[in-house]
Amino acid sequence: QQPVQSPQAVILREGEDAVINCSSSKALYSVHWYRQKHGEAPVFLMILLKGGEQKGHEKISASFNEKKQQSSLYLTASQLSYSGTYFCGTVGPYAGGTSYGKLTFGQGTILTVHP
Amino acid sequence: DTEVTQTPKHLVMGMTNKKSLKCEQHMGHRAMYWYKQKAKKPPELMFVYSYEKLSINESVPSRFSPECPNSSLLNLHLHALQPEDSALYLCASSWPGQRGKNTEAFFGQGTRLTVV
Repeated sequence: QQPVQSPQAVILREGEDAVINCSSSKALYSVHWYRQKHGEAPVFLMILLKGGEQKGHEKISASFNEKKQQSSLYLTASQLSYSGTYFCGTVGPYAGGTSYGKLTFGQGTILTVHP
Repeated sequence: DTEVTQTPKHLVMGMTNKKSLKCEQHMGHRAMYWYKQKAKKPPELMFVYSYEKLSINESVPSRFSPECPNSSLLNLHLHALQPEDSALYLCASSWPGQRGKNTEAFFGQGTRLTVV
């Protein structure tokens, strides 16, 4: 089931902060965050695992509330290069017989940073 | 090398044609994925290969036929497509993860497919 992201779009000036939220109605094993610029491939930003482990870029932070099945991505002191569409991807309970959970993306949040 | 290479970058095909999309990675990843992305929409999972075996098929029509010849290569064979199949097709790969827990996926630049 597709996670829900909010807001759908954010407009910032350089240096401002933003928070993008992701929620799921199902139990989650992990949450992934990606950024996609127009005409380019999605680029990995952050992964948060059940149990508290996380891995990602130094300048990006995120949280994962396992009980509420929610995650938030925090973008601080935004730069022009932060512009793009941000997707959260969620992995639900293990599907018996497969080694990899199904990574399902939210609808995306369009972030625009102006000078 | 953290690159996933997809060829071709652009493809225009008729509804009676047969074509193939190719994807290659040399990161030692043992999971490979095909996603379909329409304009202004998120990537939608089509297939997952785990250790060269098809592990997830998201009820994709049979006109799309995936193939994983070895751990570095992933193909998507196309036949008798419809205009609504026009989209960006993305390949991705990831390291083996623990049970049910994907590790981060690296995406290729995609193949922009137009069916006429």
